[in-house]
Amino acid sequence: EVQLQESGPGLVKPSQSLSLTCSVTGYSITSNYWGWIRKFPGNKMEWMGYISYSGSTSYNPSLKSRISITRDTSKNQFFLQLNSVTTEDTATYYCARFLHRYPFDYWGQGVMVTVSS
Amino acid sequence: DIQMTQSPASLSASPEEIVTITCQASQDIGNWLAWYQQKPGKSPQLLIYSATSLADGIPSRFSGSRSGTQYSLKISRLQVEDTGIYYCLQRYSNPLTFGSGTKLEIK
Repeated sequence: EVQLQESGPGLVKPSQSLSLTCSVTGYSITSNYWGWIRKFPGNKMEWMGYISYSGSTSYNPSLKSRISITRDTSKNQFFLQLNSVTTEDTATYYCARFLHRYPFDYWGQGVMVTVSS
Repeated sequence: DIQMTQSPASLSASPEEIVTITCQASQDIGNWLAWYQQKPGKSPQLLIYSATSLADGIPSRFSGSRSGTQYSLKISRLQVEDTGIYYCLQRYSNPLTFGSGTKLEIK
């Protein structure tokens, strides 16, 4: 069974970087696409970006140059880094698998990240 | 960016009733639309893909339809466990964009 699990700090200070890990079991990240999505307080959902089976990436332009998604295929993990965070980056962050036919069919349980001094 | 206008923002219905949630796309997205259900305290779950196809394990009470650039999710024979927030997602072009969500309460 495919399982994803996010991990990382739940509290980040403004202007610092947010770093999260998504650990995948039951499926290789060298197949298909792997994305990050966040849900803000108030329920708005935002697609942040994804990394492909080949390691190429695509990002939401709204995040400009603050975002980076990378991977470690030896550990079957992929990572999110978001730089220069503000309080507006406070959200629950999810990782998910993205197939051509089935978009975001498996999700992690989510990790709540608060940006606060 | 493609805007997905979702309505209503919230609704309340009784068990066994039928409800419909809609998403209006700001441009043609073909059938590149999915629906998700997020139950309280849980991660989103894929319900419908390609506008009308039921995802694995999803009850047939859920159905999706399309009329031009308007997409609908119909839930028949509502059950208490259908409580949650429902989102549409367009995957026609990047950036992928979600609707604003519909909060469904079962009376």
